[in-house]
Amino acid sequence: QQQVKQSPQSLIVQKGGISIINCAYENTAFDYFPWYQQFPGKGPALLIAIRPDVSEKKEGRFTISFNKSAKQFSLHIMDSQPGDSATYFCAARGAGYNNNDMRFGAGTRLTVKP
Amino acid sequence: DTAVSQTPKYLVTQMGNDKSIKCEQNLGHDTMYWYKQDSKKFLKIMFSYNNKELIINETVPNRFSPKSPDKAHLNLHINSLELGDSAVYFCATARGVYSPLHFGNGTRLTVT
Repeated sequence: QQQVKQSPQSLIVQKGGISIINCAYENTAFDYFPWYQQFPGKGPALLIAIRPDVSEKKEGRFTISFNKSAKQFSLHIMDSQPGDSATYFCAARGAGYNNNDMRFGAGTRLTVKP
Repeated sequence: DTAVSQTPKYLVTQMGNDKSIKCEQNLGHDTMYWYKQDSKKFLKIMFSYNNKELIINETVPNRFSPKSPDKAHLNLHINSLELGDSAVYFCATARGVYSPLHFGNGTRLTVT
């Protein structure tokens, strides 16, 4: 059972545009929501993470928006660049749980066209 | 200097063989993990180990076994390889079980 649903599966954006990836979760016990970025031939790397006590977190061009009531969170990439082309994974981990219970979304392949 | 290194990067082998994948970390992290990424890019945890406790995902066949010779290493042994074992296997580490994960660059296993 996939507890974190991610969409879209793939996304094509023009350089300078905004990339938006959405995730929805089911388990209200989740309290940590990271996003990972994976380039071909590399392992996933932590990009940005949020806890549900805030509705938004911004780091440079990357912003997480969090809607606790809707059980949804999204990644926004402003001024998207070709170097942002990668696969992005959302994930969720429950309160009192640990990385053994980290649930990953299915991934979004982002292509930024020059 | 790579923080989490895996060897080999590629592994091609025949069904029925036994193989190992090595993972070494120089981050001084206490907890190490093995993840499997299937052909659809889906990531799933297989094991975690923190030198005191081994936690095995119940869906992992017992043909897979982690071995930790010391705190910096967690190797993955696979017996009687099957076609369905073909995937990319990632080693990951964390300072603690609630800390962010640091992944290696993966080992692409192909079973023919």
